[in-house]
Amino acid sequence: GNSVTQMEGPVTLSEEAFLTINCTYTATGYPSLFWYVQYPGEGLQLLLKATKADDKGSNKGFEATYRKETTSFHLEKGSVQVSDSAVYFCALSASGTYKYIFGTGTRLKVLA
Amino acid sequence: DTGVSQDPRHKITKRGQNVTFRCDPISEHNRLYWYRQTLGQGPEFLTYFQNEAQLEKSRLLSDRFSAERPKGSFSTLEIQRTEQGDSAMYLCASSLARGSVYEQYFGPGTRLTVT
Repeated sequence: GNSVTQMEGPVTLSEEAFLTINCTYTATGYPSLFWYVQYPGEGLQLLLKATKADDKGSNKGFEATYRKETTSFHLEKGSVQVSDSAVYFCALSASGTYKYIFGTGTRLKVLA
Repeated sequence: DTGVSQDPRHKITKRGQNVTFRCDPISEHNRLYWYRQTLGQGPEFLTYFQNEAQLEKSRLLSDRFSAERPKGSFSTLEIQRTEQGDSAMYLCASSLARGSVYEQYFGPGTRLTVT
């Protein structure tokens, strides 16, 4: 079946450090891929998306590239800020369906 | 605020009681989804509507759960005879079909605690 696997957290970084959160997926066909972010006490917010192989989604300094050959969609940011502290979820929407399948989330803590 | 809204935000109930949650989607969105999120996990799909039609239900949605979306606007999720295992955050999302990507916008959730 379709699934998403994320690296386990928490991830703790110093401000201005480079961030990578790994996400791999299993799906038939060509899913759409998403990263959502959940700040403390708030709902899920769409961070970025990619709909086909080699697409790069980007937003607020975050980037992720849809890699079909490695079935991956890793989230990266060149220089994290304390305000980036949140839980990040990778998700997919398989071809022909509308529901999302989420990973378990990765908590990021950025220290000043 | 034109985002997805959910009511109530928190609900504490005793085991065996019935509860109902409401979701108001973004006004022009024709699709509405319910998810459940337990602590330390990602959201899990429960069901989805296109307009007023319920088109898919997860195996997670036992007979005690029922969802409706009358007139294709707001939706309700009812849990009958609640059990402690029902304690979770219930999330609602909505989307509008545009091209081939259906971005879902999530509400703040209803946190259910069953005692």
